[in-house]
Amino acid sequence: IAGITQAPTSQILAAGRRMTLRCTQDMRHNAMYWYRQDLGLGLRLIHYSNTAGTTGKGEVPDGYSVSRANTDDFPLTLASAVPSQTSVYFCASSDQAGELFFGEGSRLTVL
Amino acid sequence: AQSVAQPEDQVNVAEGNPLTVKCTYSVSGNPYLFWYVQYPNRGLQFLLKYITGDNLVKGSYGFEAEFNKSQTSFHLKKPSALVSDSALYFCAVRGNNFNKFYFGSGTKLNVKP
Repeated sequence: IAGITQAPTSQILAAGRRMTLRCTQDMRHNAMYWYRQDLGLGLRLIHYSNTAGTTGKGEVPDGYSVSRANTDDFPLTLASAVPSQTSVYFCASSDQAGELFFGEGSRLTVL
Repeated sequence: AQSVAQPEDQVNVAEGNPLTVKCTYSVSGNPYLFWYVQYPNRGLQFLLKYITGDNLVKGSYGFEAEFNKSQTSFHLKKPSALVSDSALYFCAVRGNNFNKFYFGSGTKLNVKP
C-alpha cells in the first residue's frame, strides 16, 4: 500500500533556482494539500486542491505554485527559491471522512 | 477564523503514568477535531478524530481525547504512557471550507523509563 509518495526525499538547492516537489497518491482522494513544517510553527498550509482541475491558496502561498491536472498528482513548484523556503514539505490527501493521509516529506535546503 | 493552540511545547511524563497533551481551538460552526502523531523523520499519522457524538473519542495505540465544547478544548490523553509514545503530537481542526485543515504548533511528548 503506497498511499502518498513524495519525491525527492531531500534536496539542496541554490537560491534562484526553480524546483518542483512531486506528490502522487493512489487512494483516489479528491482533496490534496501541501504543507510546510518549520520548528515552532507547526504545519502551515501552502496550497490545496479540492478536486482535479481546481486549486486554492492556503496560509503561506507566496513563492509557490501548484497544479492538479489529474486526481493522482499534485506537484508543488518553487519558481525562484529563496533561503526562507528551507523547510520540510509534506503532501497530504483526505478522504470523505476527513482524515488526512501524509507522505513522508521532502526536506528542502535553499542556500 | 479557524485556529488551534497547543500551549505546551513539551510534556514530560514517566512511563506508566497518565499523560495529557492540551489543545484548544477556535472555529466557526461545528468543529471537526483531529490528533496526529509524528515520529522522527516521518510524516504525520492519524490518531483519532471528533466529528459528532460521544465527547470521549478513542483512537489508535490506546489514546483517547475528550471534546469539551464549553472550554473549546480537545485534550489528548492516555491512562498509562509508554516510552514508545515519545513523539511530536499535533492537534488539528477542519474549518468552514470543508477541506481546509489548521494545525497547532505541536507538542513534543517525552516519556522516560
